[in-house]
Amino acid sequence: DAGITQSPRHKVTETGTPVTLRCHQTENHRYMYWYRQDPGHGLRLIHYSYGVKDTDKGEVSDGYSVSRSKTEDFLLTLESATSSQTSVYFCAINPGTGTDTQYFGPGTRLTVL
Amino acid sequence: KNEVEQSPQNLTAQEGEFITINCSYSVGISALHWLQQHPGGGIVSLFMLSSGKKKHGRLIATINIQEKHSSLHITASHPRDSAVYICAVSSNYQLIWGAGTKLIIKP
Repeated sequence: DAGITQSPRHKVTETGTPVTLRCHQTENHRYMYWYRQDPGHGLRLIHYSYGVKDTDKGEVSDGYSVSRSKTEDFLLTLESATSSQTSVYFCAINPGTGTDTQYFGPGTRLTVL
Repeated sequence: KNEVEQSPQNLTAQEGEFITINCSYSVGISALHWLQQHPGGGIVSLFMLSSGKKKHGRLIATINIQEKHSSLHITASHPRDSAVYICAVSSNYQLIWGAGTKLIIKP
């Protein structure tokens, strides 16, 4: 158990509304990631962080922003949700032991109507 | 063409059968990972390989660096092995993910 929680676990929202998903870790790991998972696409990286206030874009970052003001929290924000952002969102951490092994949170199922 | 390809996409087998899931990649890698995602959604790391073979219980993972290919084997498969198995490779400080193989083991 890598001590990763995500909130909320499920959310239904309407197109055009802002949404923030939270990833919280208890282990003070440096690297944190946000992925989305859609049928036929596998896991796709949205944004990642390599420290407090240090973030970078992944392959599908359009329409998403992130913030990391504390080591333990990595927030993913959809400024104006669209139906194409309906997905399951996973947060992951990398303990930074040099293996690139990532440990995943339980996921957040987001539905945008 | 995806940089990480898994086959088959779907696999249904009877309990007790020997299972093989394949992963091919086209980029230079420093390591290859196998992960398991259960129907409930949780993702668990199974193996990280950079050469040879690793075994954990009934699971065996092999990698051939020259052929850019890895296999995940399950011996004496059981319905609780039903899950999506995901291959990912570490390349240039990032992880590149396969689309996953959905495995169903029937009792």
